Order: sequence, then C-alpha cells, then structure tokens
Amino acid sequence: GEDVEQSLFLSVREGDSSVINCTYTDSSSTYLYWYKQEPGAGLQLLTYIFSNMDMKQDQRLTVLLNKKDKHLSLRIADTQTGDSAIYFCAGLFSGGYNKLIFGAGTRLAVHP
Amino acid sequence: DTAVSQTPKYLVTQMGNDKSIKCEQNLGHDTMYWYKQDSKKFLKIMFSYNNKELIINETVPNRFSPKSPDKAHLNLHINSLELGDSAVYFCASSQATGLQETQYFGPGTRLLVL
Repeated sequence: GEDVEQSLFLSVREGDSSVINCTYTDSSSTYLYWYKQEPGAGLQLLTYIFSNMDMKQDQRLTVLLNKKDKHLSLRIADTQTGDSAIYFCAGLFSGGYNKLIFGAGTRLAVHP
Repeated sequence: DTAVSQTPKYLVTQMGNDKSIKCEQNLGHDTMYWYKQDSKKFLKIMFSYNNKELIINETVPNRFSPKSPDKAHLNLHINSLELGDSAVYFCASSQATGLQETQYFGPGTRLLVL
C-alpha cells in the first residue's frame, strides 16, 4: 500500500537553508505536495510537483523529486523564524479516488 | 470570502454525546473530504464525497456518519462520542481531475471529549 515517511524534527539557524526530506513507497503517485501547519492552525498548501518533473522553484522554496529513489525534498532558503511549523509531505496516488496520503510531518524549529 | 470553512472551531463535550461538525466550501469544487489529525499530528483520511456521493470510506467506526446535502457542504455527525475521538478534524475540497486535484483545507475543528 501507499506509505509516506518523513523525519520528525529539524532544527536550523535563522538565515540558513532548511532541507526537509520525504520518501514514499508507491510509484503510482501523480502529484506530491508540501503543506505547512503553524501551531493551532490549519494546513496551508505550500507547493506541489507533478510526478514527471524533477524540480520546481517558487521564491524561497525548491522542491526536488527523485522518482527512481522515490524521494522528495523541500528546501527553504534563508530560513526565518516565521518558517517554524510542521511540514507535511503528501502524495496523491492514482490507485483510487484522489486519496492523499500524508507523512507524519517534520517539525522545523528555527533559532536565532 | 473564506474558501473552506468549518464550524465550530472548538468543541468540548462529554463521552457518550452526539455532535456534528459542519464544512462548507465556496470554491465550486466537486469533491470534499474529512481528515482526522491525532495528538501526534498524524493526518489520515476518513471520508471523501464527490458530487454528494461517498467515494472513499476508510476504516472508520460507523459512529461517524458523513452527510453531503449538496456538493458545497459535507457535514460529519458523530454518535456516542468516545475519549479516543478527541482530535482535530479537517475538512478539505478539490476538483476532480488534473491539477485541480489539489486539496484545500479548512482551519480544523478541535474536538475534546471528556
């Protein structure tokens, strides 16, 4: 079945780059997403990548997809304290109706 | 002008009670979802409706009954609430195909069962 895994914690210094990694098991994924959840808030869609792309850049965010290794990463350049949140990787798999499978979330802590 | 809205935002209730959570989207989407986020922040889909028809029903106790009166609304009714039902419940919506499959989430309903 589909499974999405992420490391649970990441701590970076303000101004550095953050890289959050995600792996998935099912190669039938069509879209892969990154969502951000701030404390006590809902899920904010950050960016997504279609499975036939290798890279997508959107301002400070860079998404890299390695389909062979089933590995997805989110790089945040010049990380700010406002980036502290939980980041969820999610995959949309073609095996059924729009079933979005989430990873457990990576807690990003940005310190001065 | 909120895209996906949920009510109530917070819900505190006693074990054994019956409660409902409401969700509305004004995006014109055909598909709506309910997700449960547990205390460890793990998110799992519960139900999905497409044009008022149930299309995904994960292994959720039958105490949970979704109802979609029209494609802009998906409500979740929970009977005989249990302590383990305490969680954050997120509603989401999407279009059916292609890039429009992207799911947009509501702000969540924080349910606490005492």
